[in-house]
Amino acid sequence: AQSVTQPDIHITVSEGASLELRCNYSYGATPYLFWYVQSPGQGLQLLLKYFSGDTLVQGIKGFEAEFKRSQSSFNLRKPSVHWSDAAEYFCAVGSWGKLQFGAGTQVVVTP
Amino acid sequence: GAVVSQHPSWVICKSGTSVKIECRSLDFQATTMFWYRQFPKQSLMLMATSNEGSKATYEQGVEKDKFLINHASLTLSTLTVTSAHPEDSSFYICSARDSREQYFGPGTRLTVT
Repeated sequence: AQSVTQPDIHITVSEGASLELRCNYSYGATPYLFWYVQSPGQGLQLLLKYFSGDTLVQGIKGFEAEFKRSQSSFNLRKPSVHWSDAAEYFCAVGSWGKLQFGAGTQVVVTP
Repeated sequence: GAVVSQHPSWVICKSGTSVKIECRSLDFQATTMFWYRQFPKQSLMLMATSNEGSKATYEQGVEKDKFLINHASLTLSTLTVTSAHPEDSSFYICSARDSREQYFGPGTRLTVT
């Protein structure tokens, strides 16, 4: 069975500092991996996805993620966070539509 | 990017009544739409998948007679929560897929009193 674990429920980061959100997955085959961001009043927005190829994936808003098969991880990073990055972030595994989501990580950005 | 809307954005209803939530793909045709449920501080759980013109496919544990899904056109899917009870209170999110990507609506907050 597939599953997604986001170990950090809540992260506080200073504006301008770097951010890394962890995601570990369990999947029977080669996984399709996704990172979404959810802001209040808005739908989930796709930040980036990994299907195959280069294991370092670039996304929107300055985010990137690295797929590490040996560690079953797909961690999301941003070198310098902005106040507007405060939101809930979800890692997901599966195919389009049949997505298994992690529990989410709430990111708080302090001045 | 493509836009998915939901209506209403929030609704309060009395226990025993039914509530309908609409999901529309505004600028694309969605052959497949999905309904998710999200509890506070928890992840999204897929409830069902619907294809235009056919019956929805429900995930294990989801009561198909309570959560009625209709996907009557390529731009509209509806979720009706029948005989709602307080435990049905939740955040319901729809999603629509085109050939390239999956897009999510802003969600509907349902509170059953």
